[in-house]
Amino acid sequence: QVQLQESGPGLVKPSQTLSLTCTVSGGSISSGGYYWSWIRQHPGKGLEWIGYIYYSGSTYYNPSLKSRVTISVDTSKNQFSLKLSSVTAADTAVYYCAVNWNPNWFDPWGQGTLVTVSS
Amino acid sequence: EIVLTQSPGTLSLSPGERATLSCRASQSVSSSYLAWYQQKPGQAPRLLIYGASSRATGIPDRFSGSGSGTDFTLTISRLEPEDFAVYYCQQYGSSTRTFGPGTKVDIK
Repeated sequence: QVQLQESGPGLVKPSQTLSLTCTVSGGSISSGGYYWSWIRQHPGKGLEWIGYIYYSGSTYYNPSLKSRVTISVDTSKNQFSLKLSSVTAADTAVYYCAVNWNPNWFDPWGQGTLVTVSS
Repeated sequence: EIVLTQSPGTLSLSPGERATLSCRASQSVSSSYLAWYQQKPGQAPRLLIYGASSRATGIPDRFSGSGSGTDFTLTISRLEPEDFAVYYCQQYGSSTRTFGPGTKVDIK
């Protein structure tokens, strides 16, 4: 049973870069057919897909965030990471990592981590 | 980008009642590429349905999905106390994955 755990700073200053890591356990990030996604949820709001990466390094980002997003993978550590640059208060959200099948639906999800953008 | 609209925004029902949740897409979702998730306060979303009508592993059969094209429905046949939550639909028919705004099912 694959499990995911997000980690990273809970507070980021405006204009800086948000950096999060998702550690995968119970399975290999190099398994074919699985893509690895980041999704965020603004406080009290709905869900926004950020992008995904395949173990080979190929990526696809939500066009609305593409200019500021980088997702990378480290197969040796069984981890993938999110970087979001030039953050503002509008980037305050709970950030989830998730397994993206094929890449279609998301299952399972990590527990999520709240990132607050504030000076 | 495919925009998903969910209705109603809130559904107030009693345990044992039937819940019918709607998800409408701004354009046809190819091959019924639609999923449903349940989210409880302080928890991550949980996959319920994929492919519009296939239940995910471990999901009780009181949950069912139907629909195609632009109109999809999630039905909970008899609400259990643990089913009161927010439900989201998500499409994967276009490259940019999108979610609906959610329907909250609360206790009447």
